[in-house]
Amino acid sequence: QKEVEQNSGPLSVPEGAIASLNCTYSDRGSQSFFWYRQYSGKSPELIMFIYSNGDKEDGRFTAQLNKASQYVSLLIRDSQPSDSATYLCAVKGSNNNDMRFGAGTRLTVKP
Amino acid sequence: NAGVMQNPRHLVRRRGQEARLRCSPMKGHSHVYWYRQLPEEGLKFMVYLQKENIIDESGMPKERFSAEFPKEGPSILRIQQVVRGDSAAYFCASSTGTDYGYTFGSGTRLTVV
Repeated sequence: QKEVEQNSGPLSVPEGAIASLNCTYSDRGSQSFFWYRQYSGKSPELIMFIYSNGDKEDGRFTAQLNKASQYVSLLIRDSQPSDSATYLCAVKGSNNNDMRFGAGTRLTVKP
Repeated sequence: NAGVMQNPRHLVRRRGQEARLRCSPMKGHSHVYWYRQLPEEGLKFMVYLQKENIIDESGMPKERFSAEFPKEGPSILRIQQVVRGDSAAYFCASSTGTDYGYTFGSGTRLTVV
Protein backbone atom coordinates (compact mmCIF):
# COMPACT_ATOMS: atom_id res chain seq x y z
CA GLN A 1 0.00 0.00 0.00
CA LYS A 2 1.37 3.39 -0.97
CA GLU A 3 1.76 5.92 1.80
CA VAL A 4 -0.18 8.58 -0.06
CA GLU A 5 -2.57 7.72 -2.88
CA GLN A 6 -4.22 9.96 -5.44
CA ASN A 7 -6.18 9.32 -8.60
CA SER A 8 -3.73 10.07 -11.38
CA GLY A 9 -6.42 11.51 -13.62
CA PRO A 10 -6.47 13.24 -15.89
CA LEU A 11 -9.39 15.12 -14.46
CA SER A 12 -11.09 17.44 -16.90
CA VAL A 13 -13.63 20.09 -15.89
CA PRO A 14 -15.18 23.01 -17.78
CA GLU A 15 -14.27 26.56 -16.88
CA GLY A 16 -16.33 27.79 -13.95
CA ALA A 17 -17.02 24.32 -12.56
CA ILE A 18 -15.88 22.84 -9.25
CA ALA A 19 -12.83 20.56 -9.44
CA SER A 20 -12.60 17.93 -6.70
CA LEU A 21 -9.27 16.26 -5.96
CA ASN A 22 -8.97 13.38 -3.52
CA CYS A 23 -6.19 11.80 -1.49
CA THR A 24 -5.90 8.97 1.04
CA TYR A 25 -2.99 8.18 3.33
CA SER A 26 -1.87 5.12 5.24
CA ASP A 27 -0.15 6.51 8.36
CA ARG A 28 -2.96 6.96 10.88
CA GLY A 29 -0.68 9.08 13.07
CA SER A 30 -0.18 11.73 10.39
CA GLN A 31 -0.77 15.25 11.63
CA SER A 32 -0.15 17.68 8.77
CA PHE A 33 -1.57 17.70 5.27
CA PHE A 34 -0.64 19.82 2.29
CA TRP A 35 -1.70 20.49 -1.26
CA TYR A 36 0.87 21.59 -3.82
CA ARG A 37 0.35 22.69 -7.40
CA GLN A 38 2.96 21.88 -10.03
CA TYR A 39 2.91 23.26 -13.54
CA SER A 40 4.65 21.21 -16.19
CA GLY A 41 8.42 21.58 -15.94
CA LYS A 42 8.18 23.73 -12.81
CA SER A 43 8.67 23.20 -9.10
CA PRO A 44 5.80 22.47 -6.69
CA GLU A 45 4.23 25.43 -4.94
CA LEU A 46 2.24 25.26 -1.73
CA ILE A 47 -1.49 26.04 -2.05
CA MET A 48 -3.02 24.92 1.23
CA PHE A 49 -2.23 23.16 4.48
CA ILE A 50 -4.66 21.70 6.98
CA TYR A 51 -4.17 20.12 10.39
CA SER A 52 -7.65 19.73 11.88
CA ASN A 53 -10.67 17.75 10.82
CA GLY A 54 -13.14 19.73 8.78
CA ASP A 55 -12.87 22.36 6.09
CA LYS A 56 -10.40 25.15 5.53
CA GLU A 57 -11.13 27.79 2.93
CA ASP A 58 -8.73 30.15 1.15
CA GLY A 59 -10.21 32.08 -1.74
CA ARG A 60 -11.40 29.63 -4.39
CA PHE A 61 -9.70 26.70 -2.63
CA THR A 62 -11.14 24.53 0.14
CA ALA A 63 -9.21 21.73 1.81
CA GLN A 64 -11.16 19.05 3.64
CA LEU A 65 -9.73 16.61 6.16
CA ASN A 66 -11.24 13.48 7.70
CA LYS A 67 -8.66 11.78 9.89
CA ALA A 68 -10.98 8.90 10.81
CA SER A 69 -11.25 7.98 7.13
CA GLN A 70 -7.63 9.00 6.43
CA TYR A 71 -8.87 11.17 3.63
CA VAL A 72 -8.04 14.68 2.48
CA SER A 73 -9.45 16.55 -0.47
CA LEU A 74 -9.09 19.83 -2.34
CA LEU A 75 -11.97 21.66 -3.97
CA ILE A 76 -11.36 24.37 -6.52
CA ARG A 77 -14.39 26.58 -7.15
CA ASP A 78 -14.91 28.59 -10.32
CA SER A 79 -12.10 26.67 -12.04
CA GLN A 80 -9.98 28.66 -14.48
CA PRO A 81 -7.79 27.47 -17.36
CA SER A 82 -4.83 28.75 -15.34
CA ASP A 83 -5.66 26.12 -12.70
CA SER A 84 -4.62 23.42 -15.18
CA ALA A 85 -1.70 21.69 -13.49
CA THR A 86 -0.79 18.61 -11.48
CA TYR A 87 -1.95 18.74 -7.87
CA LEU A 88 0.16 16.91 -5.32
CA CYS A 89 -1.15 15.76 -1.97
CA ALA A 90 1.50 15.63 0.74
CA VAL A 91 1.39 14.21 4.26
CA LYS A 92 3.73 14.69 7.15
CA GLY A 93 3.94 11.40 8.97
CA SER A 94 3.82 10.59 12.63
CA ASN A 95 7.61 10.78 12.82
CA ASN A 96 7.23 14.42 11.76
CA ASN A 97 10.54 14.25 9.95
CA ASP A 98 9.58 14.63 6.36
CA MET A 99 6.74 14.96 3.90
CA ARG A 100 5.55 12.15 1.64
CA PHE A 101 3.86 12.94 -1.66
CA GLY A 102 1.23 11.26 -3.74
CA ALA A 103 1.81 10.74 -7.45
CA GLY A 104 -0.38 13.74 -8.25
CA THR A 105 -3.63 14.33 -10.13
CA ARG A 106 -3.45 16.13 -13.44
CA LEU A 107 -6.24 18.67 -13.80
CA THR A 108 -7.30 20.25 -17.07
CA VAL A 109 -9.77 23.14 -17.07
CA LYS A 110 -11.30 23.62 -20.50
CA PRO A 111 -12.37 27.10 -21.61
CA ASN B 1 14.66 37.56 -0.01
CA ALA B 2 15.82 34.87 -2.40
CA GLY B 3 13.99 31.59 -2.37
CA VAL B 4 15.54 28.15 -2.41
CA MET B 5 18.40 28.24 -4.88
CA GLN B 6 19.42 25.15 -6.76
CA ASN B 7 22.18 24.79 -9.28
CA PRO B 8 22.82 23.81 -11.87
CA ARG B 9 19.36 23.89 -13.49
CA HIS B 10 20.41 21.29 -16.03
CA LEU B 11 23.23 18.78 -15.73
CA VAL B 12 24.37 16.26 -18.31
CA ARG B 13 26.69 13.47 -17.27
CA ARG B 14 28.06 10.42 -19.02
CA ARG B 15 27.56 7.05 -17.42
CA GLY B 16 30.15 6.48 -14.71
CA GLN B 17 30.75 10.17 -13.96
CA GLU B 18 29.86 11.96 -10.76
CA ALA B 19 26.99 14.42 -10.38
CA ARG B 20 26.96 17.14 -7.72
CA LEU B 21 23.75 19.02 -7.08
CA ARG B 22 23.71 22.09 -4.86
CA CYS B 23 20.98 23.65 -2.79
CA SER B 24 20.98 26.84 -0.74
CA PRO B 25 17.92 27.04 1.53
CA MET B 26 15.82 30.12 2.05
CA LYS B 27 17.19 32.61 4.52
CA GLY B 28 16.20 31.55 8.00
CA HIS B 29 15.53 27.94 7.01
CA SER B 30 17.74 25.32 8.63
CA HIS B 31 15.98 22.19 7.39
CA VAL B 32 16.71 20.81 3.92
CA TYR B 33 14.98 18.00 2.06
CA TRP B 34 15.90 16.33 -1.22
CA TYR B 35 13.32 14.72 -3.52
CA ARG B 36 13.57 12.94 -6.86
CA GLN B 37 10.89 13.14 -9.51
CA LEU B 38 10.69 10.92 -12.56
CA PRO B 39 8.59 12.06 -15.55
CA GLU B 40 4.84 11.82 -14.88
CA GLU B 41 5.48 10.66 -11.32
CA GLY B 42 5.26 12.20 -7.88
CA LEU B 43 8.06 13.35 -5.65
CA LYS B 44 10.03 10.61 -3.92
CA PHE B 45 11.61 11.54 -0.62
CA MET B 46 15.35 10.94 -0.46
CA VAL B 47 16.93 12.63 2.56
CA TYR B 48 16.30 15.20 5.28
CA LEU B 49 19.18 17.20 6.72
CA GLN B 50 19.83 19.91 9.23
CA LYS B 51 23.14 21.73 9.53
CA GLU B 52 25.91 19.11 9.80
CA ASN B 53 23.39 16.33 10.49
CA ILE B 54 21.52 13.77 8.44
CA ILE B 55 18.16 13.34 10.15
CA ASP B 56 16.49 10.81 7.86
CA GLU B 57 18.05 9.16 4.82
CA SER B 58 15.54 6.35 4.50
CA GLY B 59 14.78 7.30 0.89
CA MET B 60 18.37 7.33 -0.30
CA PRO B 61 19.69 4.41 -2.34
CA LYS B 62 22.27 2.58 -0.25
CA GLU B 63 25.01 2.90 -2.83
CA ARG B 64 26.40 5.76 -4.92
CA PHE B 65 24.21 8.44 -3.30
CA SER B 66 25.24 10.72 -0.46
CA ALA B 67 24.15 14.06 0.93
CA GLU B 68 25.58 16.66 3.23
CA PHE B 69 24.66 20.03 4.67
CA PRO B 70 27.84 21.56 6.06
CA LYS B 71 28.06 24.31 8.62
CA GLU B 72 28.97 26.74 5.87
CA GLY B 73 27.74 26.60 2.30
CA PRO B 74 24.97 24.82 0.45
CA SER B 75 23.62 21.33 0.84
CA ILE B 76 25.13 18.90 -1.67
CA LEU B 77 23.54 15.80 -3.17
CA ARG B 78 26.25 13.66 -4.69
CA ILE B 79 25.69 10.78 -7.08
CA GLN B 80 28.73 8.72 -7.93
CA GLN B 81 29.12 6.56 -11.04
CA VAL B 82 25.83 7.72 -12.52
CA VAL B 83 23.67 5.35 -14.54
CA ARG B 84 20.87 6.11 -17.00
CA GLY B 85 18.27 5.32 -14.35
CA ASP B 86 19.50 8.30 -12.32
CA SER B 87 18.10 10.66 -14.95
CA ALA B 88 15.39 12.65 -13.19
CA ALA B 89 14.53 16.02 -11.74
CA TYR B 90 16.00 16.51 -8.28
CA PHE B 91 14.22 19.02 -6.09
CA CYS B 92 15.47 20.55 -2.91
CA ALA B 93 13.11 22.07 -0.36
CA SER B 94 13.69 23.94 2.84
CA SER B 95 11.67 24.84 5.91
CA THR B 96 11.97 26.35 9.36
CA GLY B 97 11.11 22.96 10.84
CA THR B 98 7.56 23.93 11.74
CA ASP B 99 4.45 22.59 10.08
CA TYR B 100 4.03 25.33 7.54
CA GLY B 101 5.09 23.27 4.55
CA TYR B 102 8.19 23.40 2.44
CA THR B 103 9.47 25.85 -0.13
CA PHE B 104 10.89 24.18 -3.19
CA GLY B 105 13.75 25.20 -5.42
CA SER B 106 13.51 25.14 -9.21
CA GLY B 107 15.13 21.74 -9.38
CA THR B 108 18.10 20.25 -11.19
CA ARG B 109 17.32 18.18 -14.24
CA LEU B 110 19.95 15.46 -14.50
CA THR B 111 20.39 13.64 -17.78
CA VAL B 112 22.74 10.68 -17.96
CA VAL B 113 23.88 9.84 -21.48
